[in-house]
Amino acid sequence: DAGVIQSPRHEVTEMGQEVTLRCKPISGHNSLFWYRQTMMRGLELLIYFNNNVPIDDSGMPEDRFSAKMPNATFSTLKIQPSEPRDSAVYFCASSINRGSSYEQYFGPGTRLTVT
Amino acid sequence: QQQVKQSPQSLIVQKGGIPIINCAYENTAFDYFPWYQQFPGKGPALLIAIRPDVSEKKEGRFTISFNKSAKQFSLHIMDSQPGDSATYFCAVGGRSYNTDKLIFGTGTRLQVFP
Repeated sequence: DAGVIQSPRHEVTEMGQEVTLRCKPISGHNSLFWYRQTMMRGLELLIYFNNNVPIDDSGMPEDRFSAKMPNATFSTLKIQPSEPRDSAVYFCASSINRGSSYEQYFGPGTRLTVT
Repeated sequence: QQQVKQSPQSLIVQKGGIPIINCAYENTAFDYFPWYQQFPGKGPALLIAIRPDVSEKKEGRFTISFNKSAKQFSLHIMDSQPGDSATYFCAVGGRSYNTDKLIFGTGTRLQVFP
């Protein structure tokens, strides 16, 4: 199993540009999570999907952020327009709700730098 | 609203020492308490998890101690090694919380020196 796949691994962009982060969850997993990690705020949950449906987007910072999951194998997190304060590592994680297991499998992350 | 509080923020021990990381939670609806380990440049990975029906769980050199009445749980690393140097996150969640999501603590950066 290849694990959770994220792309790109690094992204450097200028303020005002649109940024799209991509995630491919583990095959068969039915929940997908987007996190943001910074030194100041730690690991924050932005949004999570269950069976491709957004369940909780209360962590999405503002309207500049949007996320989609058009099918079970792909999700995107878009920032438009990007700002320097969006610089962070963005993680995607997936899980399968099977009995008592709630283990989330994290991808390698995308390091975003907005200048 | 901070639903899980983790301490300390950082920890330095010598090889062979027993670092202890603590977490406290507020909502009694939580019934799943995992610890995640994160190495630099990597995503967090599940290390060990416990349910509230037991007070302790051990996997290799890693032990979770759970105190339901105090709403606290801790991670102990026996005979710590330099390879254990990483950031550790506690989390809370579970079916009683009626959601798949986990709420993570702020992390503890552990450094183990030879």
